Amino acid sequence: AQSVTQLDSQVPVFEEAPVELRCNYSSSVSVYLFWYVQYPNQGLQLLLKYLSGSTLVKGINGFEAEFNKSQTSFHLRKPSVHISDTAEYFCAVSDHSAGGTSYGKLTFGQGTILTVHP
Amino acid sequence: EADIYQTPRYLVIGTGKKITLECSQTMGHDKMYWYQQDPGMELHLIHYSYGVNSTEKGDLSSESTVSRIRTEHFPLTLESARPSHTSQYLCASSVWTISGANVLTFGAGSRLTVL
Repeated sequence: AQSVTQLDSQVPVFEEAPVELRCNYSSSVSVYLFWYVQYPNQGLQLLLKYLSGSTLVKGINGFEAEFNKSQTSFHLRKPSVHISDTAEYFCAVSDHSAGGTSYGKLTFGQGTILTVHP
Repeated sequence: EADIYQTPRYLVIGTGKKITLECSQTMGHDKMYWYQQDPGMELHLIHYSYGVNSTEKGDLSSESTVSRIRTEHFPLTLESARPSHTSQYLCASSVWTISGANVLTFGAGSRLTVL
């Protein structure tokens, strides 16, 4: 079984400040990791994903995340946030599926609401 | 531009009514999913489908039912809505990547309120 913990339910920051949204996971097998963003009254949009290779992953809108296997973390960062980054961010994990019978289940964290103040 | 469409976006109905939430995707994805999202909570998988005529229950028990008669269409039905069904319902579809990961694309969601 997998689980995801987003350590902060709300993160307020000022515009142009750096931000880090923390995510820890637990799994007994190798995993794929994802960050999704949800703007008000919208569905989830994929920000970035870690599948393999470099542990530093760059996504859309200037976000990046680093996979740390030893600490089982996948924290999301942005060096300078904008008002438009105000949204809820979800970390998610799925196991390495062999295809076929596995449906590549995504397990989500509880979400972190990022509020950017002018 | 969305490739997965959900209707209605918002629905307010009375207890006991039958409702169907529609979900359609134009990407030809075999796999489709319904997630339930309550405020401040993680998303919970309630139904999924591997393809036509294939449907399975997810991790969270739900009184809703789904069908998959066409690849592009995955509607969710509640035969008799109750206030406890008030929630946001998110539809998603996916395709396997070359690396073996299952990457989901989400619709905009249907927010259901049962009075």
